[in-house]
Amino acid sequence: GAVVSQHPSWVICKSGTSVKIECRSLDFQATTMFWYRQFPKQSLMLMATSNEGSKATYEQGVEKDKFLINHASLTLSTLTVTSAHPEDSSFYICSASLGLAAYNEQFFGPGTRLTVL
Amino acid sequence: AQSVTQLDSQVPVFEEAPVELRCNYSSSVSVYLFWYVQYPNQGLQLLLKYLSGSTLVKGINGFEAEFNKSQTSFHLRKPSVHISDTAEYFCAVRFSGGYNKLIFGAGTRLAVHP
Repeated sequence: GAVVSQHPSWVICKSGTSVKIECRSLDFQATTMFWYRQFPKQSLMLMATSNEGSKATYEQGVEKDKFLINHASLTLSTLTVTSAHPEDSSFYICSASLGLAAYNEQFFGPGTRLTVL
Repeated sequence: AQSVTQLDSQVPVFEEAPVELRCNYSSSVSVYLFWYVQYPNQGLQLLLKYLSGSTLVKGINGFEAEFNKSQTSFHLRKPSVHISDTAEYFCAVRFSGGYNKLIFGAGTRLAVHP
């Protein structure tokens, strides 16, 4: 099956700094990538949907200036958490898909654990 | 409103016993249905999916699920579980008339005991 990687797998940063998380589709071209957030013992919450070459679409309640998403190529999307605070600590998971149509499967990355001190 | 409900937050079971994890959805349109497994500190792995056709779907690791349109359910079953099946299981729905957006249930923690 399709492989999606994330880097880093975990990161610890100080409050006020920015952190960039990469999501790569290794063996296919992902027109669409998704970013999810998962709090401990909770489900995945979709943060935003990004299409290659265009602006991301953010879900209601997600601050687009706080969580910057870039999808500059068909194999790479990045999520930058700007001016991170302890409440941003979470598990961030990306997924990649061939497109926006509902029949396209999403392939998930292994996740990135962010801890903000 | 469209939603997914996993009725059990935790399911304890002994090794080699059968298990059923329940999932119900609410939708006025056709759906695609998925079960994912998540091991600690890892991403999601697709267990199985229903897109169309036979309502009984077989997946990896011996799991299967049955789509019941009249009861709007997609329960996951395994006839004999192993210790290694201990994980979090998520039911997810995608609405065929909409775009590629997955809606997840809250998850069910399967704990297999020796």
